[in-house]
Amino acid sequence: GAVVSQHPSRVICKSGTSVKIECRSLDFQATTMFWYRQFPKQSLMLMATSNEGSKATYEQGVEKDKFLINHASLTLSTLTVTSAHPEDSSFYICSASSSGGGQETQYFGPGTRLLVL
Amino acid sequence: GESVGLHLPTLSVQEGDNSIINCAYSNSASDYFIWYKQESGKGPQFIIDIRSNMDKRQGQRVTVLLNKTVKHLSLQIAATQPGDSAVYFCAEMVIGQGGKLIFGQGTELSVKP
Repeated sequence: GAVVSQHPSRVICKSGTSVKIECRSLDFQATTMFWYRQFPKQSLMLMATSNEGSKATYEQGVEKDKFLINHASLTLSTLTVTSAHPEDSSFYICSASSSGGGQETQYFGPGTRLLVL
Repeated sequence: GESVGLHLPTLSVQEGDNSIINCAYSNSASDYFIWYKQESGKGPQFIIDIRSNMDKRQGQRVTVLLNKTVKHLSLQIAATQPGDSAVYFCAEMVIGQGGKLIFGQGTELSVKP
């Protein structure tokens, strides 16, 4: 149980285009989803926290107008990288948890590799 | 031996030996800690966790030690196997603050057969 999927697993796009990444909890309802970015040989950096039905909370330095997050249902959150540029190329990972505010277990997706040309 | 690369420290061990991976965490208010394993091109995989009211917790072949005085965590892997080769991250959390995890730097473990 507790499976989280991401789609697509990898995407290549041209500079200036927008890319949408989906994160789904397959067998549980995720009240909270988290989006991370990971550059090669580096750690995971939290970008934003997304609660179902409310606006996402972005970490300092993350542009909310560039990284649009939607968490419209308890099983789906989307991250849209708008007007992507080569420096946005990275590994984007989501995680999902089934309760809010306490010590909840986060289940991680397999990640999405984005390459912007 | 252990070395520090440009971004990611590496630890190289012989198959069958024990491995010790260290982590310094940043927030003295953190009260929940998790170790993750990440294989190349994949998402993090939960290994073991520990709450701040404990200083040691054991799992199958893994042990986590917590020293709150110096804000230090370690992960011990017994009888390391080639399948243990991966990057290991510690992560910290303050319970009750939305479940936000802060990841440590990570250590790349390489197991030589």
